[in-house]
Amino acid sequence: AQKVTQAQTEISVVEKEDVTLDCVYETRDTTYYLFWYKQPPSGELVFLIRRNSFDEQNEISGRYSWNFQKSTSSFNFTITASQVVDSAVYFCALIYNAGNMLTFGGGTRLMVKP
Amino acid sequence: GAVVSQHPSWVICKSGTSVKIECRSLDFQATTMFWYRQFPKQSLMLMATSNEGSKATYEQGVEKDKFLINHASLTLSTLTVTSAHPEDSSFYICSAPDYESYNEQFFGPGTRLTVL
Repeated sequence: AQKVTQAQTEISVVEKEDVTLDCVYETRDTTYYLFWYKQPPSGELVFLIRRNSFDEQNEISGRYSWNFQKSTSSFNFTITASQVVDSAVYFCALIYNAGNMLTFGGGTRLMVKP
Repeated sequence: GAVVSQHPSWVICKSGTSVKIECRSLDFQATTMFWYRQFPKQSLMLMATSNEGSKATYEQGVEKDKFLINHASLTLSTLTVTSAHPEDSSFYICSAPDYESYNEQFFGPGTRLTVL
């Protein structure tokens, strides 16, 4: 069985602060994919990143960066110099190779105040 | 990337009526689609897997007679909430994997159902 845990249910920061959203996962599969999605108030899920289990390289995209560590089963997401537009719920998710269905974490609500 | 649409985007209905939600893959074929439900301030929970040309697979605790799924073509899956009740009010989201994109799933924009 797969499980994704996002321990932080809500985070509040002031604009320009850096913030890290934690994600810990459990799976018995050796091949799997990890995702981060952003869900703004409109509800539509916005794809941010996909990482496969064989690629532990960290990734940076603009103000966003991701730290994947298989040793701790974590896939953390950092927003640098946060902005009000970053306010949303962020979901970490896991997919294993066979079924293609996503297992979502509980989500972290990020509030960035001006 | 691939596009998945949902219709309607929101619906309000009276208790006891049935509501049909459509999920379409616009520029790719999807033999499988997934239906998720999201209650306010909660995460997305998989309800069922829709399979083209065969019966849907439901997750534990999801009533298949209440949530009817039909995947009649390679681009369309429908979810019908039968005899809807206020507790069925939720945000319903479908997704479809594009197998040419290495397990990337494409999500519809969601349907917000409110049952009065």
